[in-house]
Amino acid sequence: EVQLVESGGGLVQPGGPLRLSCVASGFSFSTYAMSWVRQAPGKGLEWVSAMFGTGGTTYYADSVKGRFTISRDNSKNTLYLQISSLRAEDTALYYCAKPKTARQSYDAFDVWGRGTMVTVSS
Amino acid sequence: QVVLTQSPSASASLGASVKLTCTLSSEYSTYAIAWHQQKPEKGPRYLMKVNNDGSHSKGDGIPDRFSGSSSGAERYLTISSLQSDDEADYYCQTWATGIDVVFGGGTKVTVL
Repeated sequence: EVQLVESGGGLVQPGGPLRLSCVASGFSFSTYAMSWVRQAPGKGLEWVSAMFGTGGTTYYADSVKGRFTISRDNSKNTLYLQISSLRAEDTALYYCAKPKTARQSYDAFDVWGRGTMVTVSS
Repeated sequence: QVVLTQSPSASASLGASVKLTCTLSSEYSTYAIAWHQQKPEKGPRYLMKVNNDGSHSKGDGIPDRFSGSSSGAERYLTISSLQSDDEADYYCQTWATGIDVVFGGGTKVTVL
């Protein structure tokens, strides 16, 4: 069974750092370009960042560029999102998402995790 | 930047059909999209990918009641024989190198 399990969320003070993890199973993780997508309370889906499987090319939404760093450890089938300088507007449920095809580009997301909640508040 | 436009809400009676629309901005009118369903307090679930020519490929276990189609810059999701379990938010998604990944604002479907 293909599965994505996120962890690492919590209550963090503004300006603080946080690292999210997504452990993948059931597919050849290293060959897929993986993404993080977030959803603020009561709002829609917002793509945050992606990292292609080989070569390590990374992409970021303008809203997080310079503060978020995506990385992966293919030996551990794990995707990470390092968040620094957290802001109140970063409060959201953060999902890990897998694309439909194994190629070094984007595609429809066909598997989603359950998400991990990040709350930024003093 | 590509824009995906969705109506905020749609409703239909139990057993009827509802057709949701996702409109691509004109310069991206040939792009494929994906439809995702999100029930309250749940993560999104992939329904299908809809191509410019109207062909679509559904995710595993998606009932035949869900179908996709296309016309010009519009991509559609039709839910037939509507069930109470179909009440959810439905999002469209598109993607490409250069525009990254974009989601529509979502349509909330209510079953009357």
